[in-house]
Order: sequence, then structure tokens, then C-alpha cells
Amino acid sequence: DQQVKQNSPSLSVQEGRISILNCDYTNSMFDYFLWYKKYPAEGPTFLISISSIKDKNEDGRFTVFLNKSAKHLSLHIVPSQPGDSAVYFCAARGYSGSARQLTFGSGTQLTVLP
Amino acid sequence: EADIYQTPRYLVIGTGKKITLECSQTMGHDKMYWYQQDPGMELHLIHYSYGVNSTEKGDLSSESTVSRIRTEHFPLTLESARPSHTSQYLCASSGLGEKLFFGSGTQLSVL
Repeated sequence: DQQVKQNSPSLSVQEGRISILNCDYTNSMFDYFLWYKKYPAEGPTFLISISSIKDKNEDGRFTVFLNKSAKHLSLHIVPSQPGDSAVYFCAARGYSGSARQLTFGSGTQLTVLP
Repeated sequence: EADIYQTPRYLVIGTGKKITLECSQTMGHDKMYWYQQDPGMELHLIHYSYGVNSTEKGDLSSESTVSRIRTEHFPLTLESARPSHTSQYLCASSGLGEKLFFGSGTQLSVL
């Protein structure tokens, strides 16, 4: 049972426009959320995060929004650039026993067209 | 900039061979992790360690084993590789926070 879902496997956006990547989760005990970016044949790199006590966090062109009642978060990239083309994973922190662990979604391939 | 290294980057090997995937970090992180990822799928945690001589299995059952004899080193071993082990293996570490630093990954192909 997937606790973190990214329902859009792919997204194409024109350069300069806004990219919106979505993520839904089912576990209300998740208390911290992160977005990672991954290029082919490389490991994921951290992009931005948000605590469950906030509803928005912004870092340059990247903004993450959290809607706890809907168990939904989204990543906005404005303006989108061709170098943003990558797979984006959302991740949520939960507990397995006493251990804190991250649960990842299946990723969304973003393609920014020049 | 994260300093976590994985070798080899790519490995093609025959069925039945024993392999060890290397992972080292120079950040002094206590926590280290191994994830497995297939294209279009989520990252699955297969092993983690919260310190020297501490290892635990993750959510995804795996036939691999790990060891943590030194803080900086967290190798993963497959005693007898099979085609079903073909995947990308990602090593990560973290310090006090939740942010994971990932290595570049090992793409394993078992023929």
C-alpha cells in the first residue's frame, strides 16, 4: 500500500511558465515532507522541505505548499528552466517502530521545453 | 556539497556471482541507508544503520546484507546475484536533520 503517491508520472511545461508537481499521502502521522530532484544515472539531490506545522515554504524559484486537511503537497517552480528537467520525488517522514524513516513517492518526470 | 561516494557506478555481472557495492561518506554522519529504485518506481529502503555495529532491514525485503564496521563505510553484499536483483542501488547518509545526502548510485545488471 503506497503511502505517498505522485499520480502524474510525467509533466511537460514551456520554459518560463510555472511547473506544479503534486503529491498525496495517506498517513496523517507524517510530520515532515521533502522534495528531491534526480537526473538520470545520478542520485537524488535535496531541493526543499516543509514541516507539518507550516503550509508554505519558499526558496528562490521553488515553493512547497502543504494542505494537511487534504493530505496534499505541491511543488511550484517559477519560472521553469530547461535545467529543471528531471525526475522529482516527494518524501514524507514517518516512524517505523522507533525509527524515523522517509517514504518516497514514485516520482514525476518534468520536462521543460525551450 | 555532500561527500558520499558509491562504487562502482555500473556493474554487469553473471548469475551466481558474489558482489559488494561500496559506499563511503566523509561527513561523519551516523545514519546511513541503502535504497533500491527501479525506473518509474519509488525508492525502497532495504537497509539502514544508525551507527557503528548497528544495522537494520528496511521495508523492502532484500537478499542483500550490510555491515557497518566504520562510521564512514556502509557496504552492501549480494552473496549470489540473480537477474531479479537488477536495479539501481542508492546509498545515502544523514546527520541530525532529515535531509538525506545521496551518492550517485550503482546501476546493477545481472545477466
